[in-house]
Amino acid sequence: GESVGLHLPTLSVQEGDNSIINCAYSNSASDYFIWYKQESGKGPQFIIDIRSNMDKRQGQRVTVLLNKTVKHLSLQIAATQPGDSAVYFCAENRRSGYSTLTFGKGTMLLVSP
Amino acid sequence: GAGVSQSPSNKVTEKGKDVELRCDPISGHTALYWYRQSLGQGLEFLIYFQGNSAPDKSGLPSDRFSAERTGGSVSTLTIQRTQQEDSAVYLCASSPNRGGTDTQYFGPGTRLTVL
Repeated sequence: GESVGLHLPTLSVQEGDNSIINCAYSNSASDYFIWYKQESGKGPQFIIDIRSNMDKRQGQRVTVLLNKTVKHLSLQIAATQPGDSAVYFCAENRRSGYSTLTFGKGTMLLVSP
Repeated sequence: GAGVSQSPSNKVTEKGKDVELRCDPISGHTALYWYRQSLGQGLEFLIYFQGNSAPDKSGLPSDRFSAERTGGSVSTLTIQRTQQEDSAVYLCASSPNRGGTDTQYFGPGTRLTVL
């Protein structure tokens, strides 16, 4: 079947490498950011989130970094595994307290064994 | 527990026909969202329901699109007189409460193909 990642930026890494996926956002008023992972044929799955009063947040094998000065968000995946292969989206809420999210176009991560 | 479910998983229709897509949110979640995802694109917000409040319809692309949420639970997205550009994956998400910092949990989506 078709992949949502056909026309997306792609990051190819070897198993065991660390991966860094970047995202630029446009609205300095955004105060909440989320990273989602989407595998082929499935809905997006929550990975990690961060509020604007933080610069860094760590989860299991994942770290999100937020640089508000340059409006940049990154997702770091340690010891990348083939199961991490997916499309990764960042999302922001562009108004404080506003519930809808604005999603980036996504980056496809391909992990080779 | 059960996640967000959507039906059908795939829908093929002819141009000009009406379609209905269904979303069952996570039990107890008061907020429900519909998004559209075209090939190789991010998610496009369509509509948002919160409890008994009037829905936020600001993302609906045309008046051919409408959605209902009955009893604060199940939602139906209806597309009338479908066009080929409506072909996409339609995703539903729910979250426990209103608030910009609520995590949204997504269903698997309905892939709509308009011939």
